[in-house]
This record gives sequence, C-alpha cells and structure tokens, in this order.
Amino acid sequence: SQTIHQWPATLVQPVGSPLSLECTVEGTSNPNLYWYRQAAGRGLQLLFYSVGIGQISSEVPQNLSASRPQDRQFILSSKKLLLSDSGFYLCALQGANYGYTFGSGTRLTVV
Amino acid sequence: KQEVTQIPAALSVPEGENLVLNCSFTDSAIYNLQWFRQDPGKGLTSLLLIQSSQREQTSGRLNASLDKSSGRSTLYIAASQPGDSATYLCAVPFLSSGSARQLTFGSGTQLTVLP
Repeated sequence: SQTIHQWPATLVQPVGSPLSLECTVEGTSNPNLYWYRQAAGRGLQLLFYSVGIGQISSEVPQNLSASRPQDRQFILSSKKLLLSDSGFYLCALQGANYGYTFGSGTRLTVV
Repeated sequence: KQEVTQIPAALSVPEGENLVLNCSFTDSAIYNLQWFRQDPGKGLTSLLLIQSSQREQTSGRLNASLDKSSGRSTLYIAASQPGDSATYLCAVPFLSSGSARQLTFGSGTQLTVLP
C-alpha cells in the first residue's frame, strides 16, 4: 500500500531563517505529489505540485520553493522565512483514480 | 471554476445520533469526490472516495452518496460516537496540467459528538 512520510512534525523558526521540509513516499513509483498549506482558521491552499523528477509547478507566487530530487522525494524550501509563512504544511500523493493520501503534516511557526 | 461548499460549518450532536454532512459543488463534471477527516493538529485521513459513476460508498458506519446532476454529496454517520469528533472535508479534483489534478476543498464541517 502507498504510504507518505513527512518530517519534522513541528518546527519553530525565526524570521529570516531557511526552511526545508521533506516528504517521502513508499509503495508507488513516479507519483504526482503536492504541497498544501493550511493557515490558521483557513482552508487548504495548493502551493506546488510535481509530476516527476525535477518537474515543479507553482500555484501561488511566494517566498517558498519546491524541488523533486528523487522519484519519491518532494522538498519544500525557503531561503528566508517570513511571519506569514506560518501554517500547517501537508504533502499529498495522488493515487489511483485520483484518490489522494495525505501525510501527517508539519506545523511551522515563524517567530 | 469549481467551488465546493459544506453545510453546516459546525454541528454538535449527542452520542448515538445519526447525522448527515452536506457537500455541494458547482461544476457537475467531476471525476470523483473524496471525503476526509481531520483531527486537530493532524493531517487528513481519507474516509471515502466516490467515483463519478457511483452513487454511494460505504465503510463501516459511514455512507457517502453522490448526485452529480444536482451537484451534491452527503456523508452519513450512523450511531455517532465521541471519537467521531473532528472536521470533515469534502474535495473534488480538477485539472492542473497533464496527469495532475489538484483538489478543491470545501471549508469543512466541524463535528462534535457529546458523550
């Protein structure tokens, strides 16, 4: 079965510091992968998606970037965090019949 | 542009009650509809996935129905338990590019089951 792993679970970072969130998947190959953000009291916003190694599409211009260095690895990064980057970050895997599996999420607080 | 709405935004029921959560969507040309559960501070757990050709799906005490023509889906929870307390989200995929389909989510229904 397909599984998705995210880490860290919680992160507190100062403004201006870099960020790296990692998502890895198991049980599938060449999956479509997605990064979503859920801000406090708001809905889920798609940030990036990737249909393969090195292929990244951005949905929202912002302070963040994404990379897909390996087939089953999807990384969300920032060079300098802003207060507005705080939120709950979720990685998702597109499975068969366009069913989606989500990771457990990373709670990022920028202070 | 697909829009997904969930009513009610919040619901509080006593334990043991049967309840229905509603989800509506504006574009009936959907591929499928997926119901998720989110516990506070946690990720999304998939509950049920209904393909566009299906009318309903069942898993344990959960039953989800889909009526594409009217743009509606319902999630029925039988014999509710305090452990069912969570936020329930419905979502439909729409084309991003190629094989990618991003999800459009409803705003969710926050369910509280009182013991």
